[in-house]
Amino acid sequence: AQKITQTQPGMFVQEKEAVTLDCTYDTSDQSYGLFWYKQPSSGEMIFLIYQGSYDEQNATEGRYSLNFQKARKSANLVISASQLGDSAMYFCAIRGVDTGRRALTFGSGTRLQVQP
Amino acid sequence: KAGVTQTPRYLIKTRGQQVTLSCSPISGHRSVSWYQQTPGQGLQFLFEYFSETQRNKGNFPGRFSGRQFSNSRSEMNVSTLELGDSALYLCASSLGGGVVRYNEQFFGPGTRLTVL
Repeated sequence: AQKITQTQPGMFVQEKEAVTLDCTYDTSDQSYGLFWYKQPSSGEMIFLIYQGSYDEQNATEGRYSLNFQKARKSANLVISASQLGDSAMYFCAIRGVDTGRRALTFGSGTRLQVQP
Repeated sequence: KAGVTQTPRYLIKTRGQQVTLSCSPISGHRSVSWYQQTPGQGLQFLFEYFSETQRNKGNFPGRFSGRQFSNSRSEMNVSTLELGDSALYLCASSLGGGVVRYNEQFFGPGTRLTVL
């Protein structure tokens, strides 16, 4: 079974500051992918960043970077230079490679509020 | 390229009724997955269809069913609605092949179902 734990129900950050959202995972798969999604109040899930279990370098996508520590089974999302539009729910998710394990398993999410 | 579309966006039904939700994936995507999101249970995987066949199934009762058509469009049906079925139902499409990274799931805006 796969499991994602997000221990921060809510976070506040000042505009233009960096923020780290925590994510730990558990899986018995040797090969897997880790994803972060943003969900604004409109409801749509927006893909942010992906990290493969065998990727040696941490993933980066613009202002988003993923701090991947495989031995600790953590995949924290770092948002640099926060903007007001970053206020949303953020979900960490894991997905296996095998056909029967490709469904995304999500964490409970972190609500980020960016303050001016 | 058009994104994932879901219809209807909002739906109100009463207990005991049935409902059908529709999802049109991104052109060229052959895999469609459905997720249920509730405040209490979070995001949970319902099922995945690939080339008109159900490939994965989550832990939901048989009242929840789906199908996929030859053009990859998918429908989800819930029969004998219960109050607890009130949720945001999200559809996600992906290419459906074997590489996790290149099978990132793109989500639609969701259908918000309210059961009275």
